[in-house]
Amino acid sequence: DQQVKQNSPSLSVQEGRISILNCDYTNSMFDYFLWYKKYPAEGPTFLISISSIKDKNEDGRFTVFLNKSAKHLSLHIVPSQPGDSAVYFCAARGSGGSNYKLTFGKGTLLTVNP
Amino acid sequence: DGGITQSPKYLFRKEGQNVTLSCEQNLNHDAMYWYRQDPGQGLRLIYYSQIVNDFQKGDIAEGYSVSREKKESFPLTVTSAQKNPTAFYLCASSIRQIGGKLFFGSGTQLSVL
Repeated sequence: DQQVKQNSPSLSVQEGRISILNCDYTNSMFDYFLWYKKYPAEGPTFLISISSIKDKNEDGRFTVFLNKSAKHLSLHIVPSQPGDSAVYFCAARGSGGSNYKLTFGKGTLLTVNP
Repeated sequence: DGGITQSPKYLFRKEGQNVTLSCEQNLNHDAMYWYRQDPGQGLRLIYYSQIVNDFQKGDIAEGYSVSREKKESFPLTVTSAQKNPTAFYLCASSIRQIGGKLFFGSGTQLSVL
């Protein structure tokens, strides 16, 4: 039962354009969401996060939007740069007794073409 | 520099052999985690530890064991009971004992000979 879904395995965009990565979740008890970026043969690095009490969080070129009613979040990267090419994982934190745990999606491979 | 060190980067296991993956952190974090990544899959939680001398099973703990004798160290043993051990193993830590921003090591690729 996949509680965090990234339905697009890959995305290709041109340098300078906007990249939009999507993530859907099924567990309404998730209270905190994060995006991680991962290069091959390396560990993921934290990118940006958002609490369930907010609908938007921005950090430089990266903005995460949360639509709780739709159980959907998205990561916008503007403008996209070739160095942004990586796998992006969406993760969600459980609440209450499950608040130790992050549940990850399968990832989306973003390729930014020069 | 503070961070998480995983070793070795590549490891090969023979049939019936137990192997141990090392994870050391100097971030003074309380919580440490082991995740497994398979190709095209998300990260799945094997074990986690919120404090020294305590650890809990994650979603896929069968065939694995851990110890947390020191705050800095959280080694993972892949036992012979783990029938499909080939994967990329990631160790992580966090400053808080609830899930949130994780700091990951660079991973260990385990393969079966």
